[in-house]
Amino acid sequence: GAGVSQSPSNKVTEKGKDVELRCDPISGHTALYWYRQSLGQGLEFLIYFQGNSAPDKSGLPSDRFSAERTGGSVSTLTIQRTQQEDSAVYLCASSPGGGRRDTQYFGPGTRLTVL
Amino acid sequence: GENVEQHPSTLSVQEGDSAVIKCTYSDSASNYFPWYKQELGKGPQLIIDIRSNVGEKKDQRIAVTLNKTAKHFSLHITETQPEDSAVYFCAASRAGNNRLAFGKGNQVVVIP
Repeated sequence: GAGVSQSPSNKVTEKGKDVELRCDPISGHTALYWYRQSLGQGLEFLIYFQGNSAPDKSGLPSDRFSAERTGGSVSTLTIQRTQQEDSAVYLCASSPGGGRRDTQYFGPGTRLTVL
Repeated sequence: GENVEQHPSTLSVQEGDSAVIKCTYSDSASNYFPWYKQELGKGPQLIIDIRSNVGEKKDQRIAVTLNKTAKHFSLHITETQPEDSAVYFCAASRAGNNRLAFGKGNQVVVIP
């Protein structure tokens, strides 16, 4: 079946502009996660959704970052007033509920470049 | 929070040989340990995972072992092939806190 999809695949923006990144999870998956991967680094947790609520948003690096999820499906990560240090690959993952709720499947990511 | 470390950072092996990557974790409450393979320009792909109630799991040429006492787990790839070349990430999480804590990754290069 279809995996996690993300759009756009690449985004180049100017410093100070706002950007929106989209994630479509695997159909039926109740949990959704956002991570950030900087060049040559591991993945850094940003936020976790269970349904439409975000019980853990402790990884968001600043108040310029926000995310929402609607209809228990699509999620949008918004970065306001982008800075050069925001340049990274933003990865979304989803996981099923029940006994496999900790198993996360990743999308291809959005590569964000802030000039 | 959880701290996961991977060793070595880069590993080169001859095709057909075995590759072993080791990870250590700090949180004794962690109970889920997945391994991901990431190819250039792609998202991480789950290749195998293990939970703390077992010590070893195998799937064809890939196996993972877990030592809870020492808080380390390892990925074993046998009969390596050129398509195994990628960056491999280990991760850990605990029940009730589903965020994954990742290591920094290992670059595995299989030399034909």
